[in-house]
Amino acid sequence: AQTVTQSQPEMSVQEAETVTLSCTYDTSESDYYLFWYKQPPSRQMILVIRQEAYKQQNATENRFSVNFQKAAKSFSLKISDSQLGDAAMYFCAYRSALAGGTSYGKLTFGQGTILTVHP
Amino acid sequence: ETGVTQSPTHLIKTRGQQVTLRCSSQSGHNTVSWYQQALGQGPQFIFQYYREEENGRGNFPPRFSGLQFPNYSSELNVNALELDDSALYLCASSLATGVNSPLHFGNGTRLTVT
Repeated sequence: AQTVTQSQPEMSVQEAETVTLSCTYDTSESDYYLFWYKQPPSRQMILVIRQEAYKQQNATENRFSVNFQKAAKSFSLKISDSQLGDAAMYFCAYRSALAGGTSYGKLTFGQGTILTVHP
Repeated sequence: ETGVTQSPTHLIKTRGQQVTLRCSSQSGHNTVSWYQQALGQGPQFIFQYYREEENGRGNFPPRFSGLQFPNYSSELNVNALELDDSALYLCASSLATGVNSPLHFGNGTRLTVT
């Protein structure tokens, strides 16, 4: 079974500065997808960025980028030029690329990191 | 384009009762999955439905069951409620069951069991 671990329960950053959220995972599979989701107080889970394991190039989406280290099973999220609207709970998630099986389609989430942005 | 909508927003039930939560998929999405999120935790996968059939399930007992309708909306039913069932229940829809299809989440239903 796959597991996802976020070792930072809380992080804080000053507005306009950069912060990095950590995530490690455990899997025996070679093909999978990794995600970062943001959950503001509105409770809706919003996709921030996605990484395919077969791609060596790190994904980027505007101010958000990842550092994907497949051998180390590490997947950190870097937020540049932090904004007040970035404050939320951030979840790292894993999804197998294998079709079928009883857990087909399953996203496995970490415990989350609460990000506070100070003005 | 209408997003994923869930009802009700909040619900309070008594231990032993049954509850039904509802989810309307985003327009055009044929796959729905349900997650349970306990307070301060990450969501846990309950099950997934594709074209009215369950095609994936997490480690939840049979008293957690679901339905998907021809219009791709979905219900989550929980029988014999326990105190530990208190959680935020999230519904997510996607265009297909392929793992490359991004999930679109609703705002969830907050269930409190007393």
